[in-house]
Amino acid sequence: DQQVKQNSPSLSVQEGRISILNCDYTNSMFDYFLWYKKYPAEGPTFLISISSIKDKNEDGRFTVFLNKSAKHLSLHIVPSQPGDSAVYFCAASTEGYSGGGADGLTFGKGTHLIIQP
Amino acid sequence: GAGVSQSPRYKVAKRGQDVALRCDPISGHVSLFWYQQALGQGPEFLTYFQNEAQLDKSGLPSDRFFAERPEGSVSTLKIQRTQQEDSAVYLCASSPTTHQPQHFGDGTRLSIL
Repeated sequence: DQQVKQNSPSLSVQEGRISILNCDYTNSMFDYFLWYKKYPAEGPTFLISISSIKDKNEDGRFTVFLNKSAKHLSLHIVPSQPGDSAVYFCAASTEGYSGGGADGLTFGKGTHLIIQP
Repeated sequence: GAGVSQSPRYKVAKRGQDVALRCDPISGHVSLFWYQQALGQGPEFLTYFQNEAQLDKSGLPSDRFFAERPEGSVSTLKIQRTQQEDSAVYLCASSPTTHQPQHFGDGTRLSIL
């Protein structure tokens, strides 16, 4: 059973427009959520996180929104740039503010974002 | 370097051989994690260390998998009697404490023939 789901394997967006990546989770104990970006042959790179006490967190072009009642979060990238083309992973934790705590992160399968010129 | 370093980057072994994968975390990071990533999947948690103590090994798929971090810094993931299903990318991550996001290395791609 997948506890973190990214239902879109790929997403194509025109350069300069908004990219919206979605993530759903089933475990109501998750209280900390992160987005990672991954280029081929490299490890995931931390982008942005949000704790369950917030519904929005913003860092430059990246904003993460959390809807606890719907068990849904999304990552918005505005404006999208060619260098944003990568696989994006949503991850969740049960340790609160820990980014992993003692349980490790639970990841989705990823969404391949393609920014078209 | 300043990041998490893993070696080797690529490892090919015959089925039945033992392999050892190394992780050098970011200096001073207390927490260290191992993940396994199969093709087309997200990373899956294997085990967690806080300093030298292995606090969680619930993700290790079998008793053929063993991890250690004897001095609270470098960690080694060992797989005994490798099988084809062990083929995957093994990722190591570290964080300053348990209250910070994890930073990942580039992984070791293990292929079992």
